[in-house]
Amino acid sequence: QSVLTQPPSVSAAPGQKVTISCSGGSSNIGTHFVSWYQQLPGTAPKLLISEDNKRPSQISDRFSGSKSGTSATLAITGLQTGDEADYYCEAHDDSLNAAVFGGGTRLTVL
Amino acid sequence: VQLVDSGGGLVQPGGSLRLSCAPSGFTFTTYWMCWVRQFPGGGLEWVATINTDGTQTSYVDSVNGRFTVSRDNAKNSLFLQMDSLRAEDTAIYYCTRGNNWAFDYWGRGTLVTVS
Repeated sequence: QSVLTQPPSVSAAPGQKVTISCSGGSSNIGTHFVSWYQQLPGTAPKLLISEDNKRPSQISDRFSGSKSGTSATLAITGLQTGDEADYYCEAHDDSLNAAVFGGGTRLTVL
Repeated sequence: VQLVDSGGGLVQPGGSLRLSCAPSGFTFTTYWMCWVRQFPGGGLEWVATINTDGTQTSYVDSVNGRFTVSRDNAKNSLFLQMDSLRAEDTAIYYCTRGNNWAFDYWGRGTLVTVS
């Protein structure tokens, strides 16, 4: 059981918008920055969002992050088939003194 | 930025392995470095972190006392010494760079199988 809770799967049609939630607690998301990672099939994870809502320069602006209280959300607009991947949230946890990940969400673009 | 991790393989329970990571494309000495693993079921777990000069390390509880992270700044190298390996350590191990509370670059991963 992961410390951060994500839905196992989400799906949407090409061109649509999808959101992926990440729920935590006061010792992690409520206190620390959230990061999001994309893992395409057969590859290593890649940083999409850091510090709740900052995109590395090479990441499309179709990806955005937000946070409210102890929950965070990744939004992807203008869905493309190439966005099909597993998405993970991550934050530091004070109680465990460790970085913790969500269980991952598989995105299917129908 | 490139991280090339290596050293994985098949090892018996109780055995040891030493993973290596060769970074390039950035000033290695100015970044904290980390190891993250991915279990066969897909879940990700942070394993260890080392600060810029190697004087501070931290580990996930499940490997504390069995794994040792180290770095050689003169040779631009990161290591993970894994002892007393268990079946539950079976995973892909990724070398990652720590930056602003995120893992901003990842190696391709090296597979460790304990069986």
